[in-house]
Amino acid sequence: KAGVTQTPRYLIKTRGQQVTLSCSPISGHRSVSWYQQTPGQGLQFLFEYFSETQRNKGNFPGRFSGRQFSNSRSEMNVSTLELGDSALYLCASSLAGGRDGYTFGSGTRLTVV
Amino acid sequence: KQEVTQIPAALSVPEGENLVLNCSFTDSAIYNLQWFRQDPGKGLTSLLLIQSSQREQTSGRLNASLDKSSGRSTLYIAASQPGDSATYLCAVMNSGYSTLTFGKGTMLLVSP
Repeated sequence: KAGVTQTPRYLIKTRGQQVTLSCSPISGHRSVSWYQQTPGQGLQFLFEYFSETQRNKGNFPGRFSGRQFSNSRSEMNVSTLELGDSALYLCASSLAGGRDGYTFGSGTRLTVV
Repeated sequence: KQEVTQIPAALSVPEGENLVLNCSFTDSAIYNLQWFRQDPGKGLTSLLLIQSSQREQTSGRLNASLDKSSGRSTLYIAASQPGDSATYLCAVMNSGYSTLTFGKGTMLLVSP
């Protein structure tokens, strides 16, 4: 079966712009989580959606937002990009809110210049 | 607040060695623990999932153990191969939550 699909794979944006990343979970999975990975901070939780509702949010500024659609696909948006937002953004999906484990996508590499 | 530590941060071994990667966590009230592998620039590949009620899980040459009361997990890799070279990440999910807390990982290099 198809895995977790993230698009685009790579993005280069200018400071001050905004960006939207997309994630399609495994078919049937209703839980989608987003993580940011940087060399200095490692993997940090951004937010989690379940059946179109945000259930948890990590400690990130309001410039980071997300949503989930009725087909479970999710998007995250970062506005007013800063150089420090350069990172690998990973999306993960689960059938049972993590109780069955998470499957991760290949990530979107965002570079802010 | 849950904190996850992985030791060592890096490990270099010759092919064929058996090795152990360590993961410790500060809050024992976990629901499960998951081991992942990450190749450079890529996403995470799930290796093993251990529920809090389990002591260990095995998949091929990999064996993961969990001692919840002491806040420790180990990943045992038997007969290591160059293809095992990657970063190995440990992540815990606390009871009552659905988010993962990750360690910083162990970067493994297996030389031919």
